[in-house]
Amino acid sequence: AQSVTQPDARVTVSEGASLQLRCKYSYFGTPYLFWYVQYPRQGLQLLLKYYPGDPVVQGVNGFEAEFSKSNSSFHLRKASVHWSDWAVYFCAVSMGGNMGYKLTFGTGTSLLVDP
Amino acid sequence: EAAVTQSPRNKVAVTGGKVTLSCNQTNNHNNMYWYRQDTGHGLRLIHYSYGAGSTEKGDIPDGYKASRPSQENFSLILELATPSQTSVYFCASGPDWGQDTQYFGPGTRLLVL
Repeated sequence: AQSVTQPDARVTVSEGASLQLRCKYSYFGTPYLFWYVQYPRQGLQLLLKYYPGDPVVQGVNGFEAEFSKSNSSFHLRKASVHWSDWAVYFCAVSMGGNMGYKLTFGTGTSLLVDP
Repeated sequence: EAAVTQSPRNKVAVTGGKVTLSCNQTNNHNNMYWYRQDTGHGLRLIHYSYGAGSTEKGDIPDGYKASRPSQENFSLILELATPSQTSVYFCASGPDWGQDTQYFGPGTRLLVL
């Protein structure tokens, strides 16, 4: 069965500093990987998604993620964090295909930004 | 922009009562999903549907039923609500292929007393 692990429940960074949020996946086959962001009292919004191809994926607001098959990882990065990035970030994996495919989510990482 | 709406946004229910959470999407997506979000668990899939008239069990279906009467609407039903079902519930819709994005509603906060 597919699974996702986000080992850091909470990460604190200073505004302007770089950021990496970790995600490890377990999946037999070709995974489709996603990062979603949840701002306070809102639903989830897509940051970026990975389809098999270029391992580095660009997303919105300066976020990017790098897929590593050898490490089973899909870490999220940002060069310079802004206070508005304060949110919860979820990594997710999908098996693809049709007929009601399912996303499996990690437990999320809360990002706190120090001013 | 894709649009998924949920009602009610907040709900207080009593133990043993019936609760219905509603979801509407204007994306014309075939697939719809119900998740619950709890601290330490992330989002967990309760039920999903791949078209009008269909419902499928997700990872944690016990205590929940679902109904998909039309392409646009997908309901989650708690026949006998329990305090353990206190949570935030999210509905999502998605196109046919697993590599595509799911679009989420704003969530419903349910408190079962």
